[in-house]
Amino acid sequence: DTGVSQDPRHKITKRGQNVTFRCDPISEHNRLYWYRQTLGQGPEFLTYFQNEAQLEKSRLLSDRFSAERPKGSFSTLEIQRTEQGDSAMYLCASSSRMPGAGEQYFGPGTRLTVT
Amino acid sequence: DQQVKQNSPSLSVQEGRISILNCDYTNSMFDYFLWYKKYPAEGPTFLISISSIKDKNEDGRFTVFLNKSAKHLSLHIVPSQPGDSAVYFCAASGNTNTGNQFYFGTGTSLTVIP
Repeated sequence: DTGVSQDPRHKITKRGQNVTFRCDPISEHNRLYWYRQTLGQGPEFLTYFQNEAQLEKSRLLSDRFSAERPKGSFSTLEIQRTEQGDSAMYLCASSSRMPGAGEQYFGPGTRLTVT
Repeated sequence: DQQVKQNSPSLSVQEGRISILNCDYTNSMFDYFLWYKKYPAEGPTFLISISSIKDKNEDGRFTVFLNKSAKHLSLHIVPSQPGDSAVYFCAASGNTNTGNQFYFGTGTSLTVIP
């Protein structure tokens, strides 16, 4: 296992279109996180899964955003009716331990540009 | 509400000298702190962590210091190398209302000059 992978690496879409990103975590990790990072900022938490259960969602995650982890392995993040303000790097991370007990391992990210 | 702050957006250091990156936090419930390094077009890479029961953790050239009373942590890199040039993020987690996430600072861009 070479680490967390994300697909696609880059996505350009027109405003109003729907986009879906995929994250494949490290295989033995049961915890999966989505973050968003904009220019000049650190990663901002979006949502968290433990196995297939979505246990936490940030208020940053509007109704246009939905995330799934159907079998407790890979996860998808969908953005409906994209807006220019959605342009950002979307990062996925995974971990085998709770946040206070170990680090999260990040994927390379998906850069979304909404035109 | 930025709970983790890195007030220096950039830092330049000569090769071989010490790099000191600083981070402040506001939430007293944070009890676990990490530093990540990020190169362009890559995701953040874990560097070093420290639990609030310690005030220092060392790993090779990297040492993290935690001052709980001041709500301040710092990362020392000695000696600095050109390959250390990257953006460094500090992050924190703890028994907060939203206990399953890390809170990240805005990053400090380190340039090590050969």
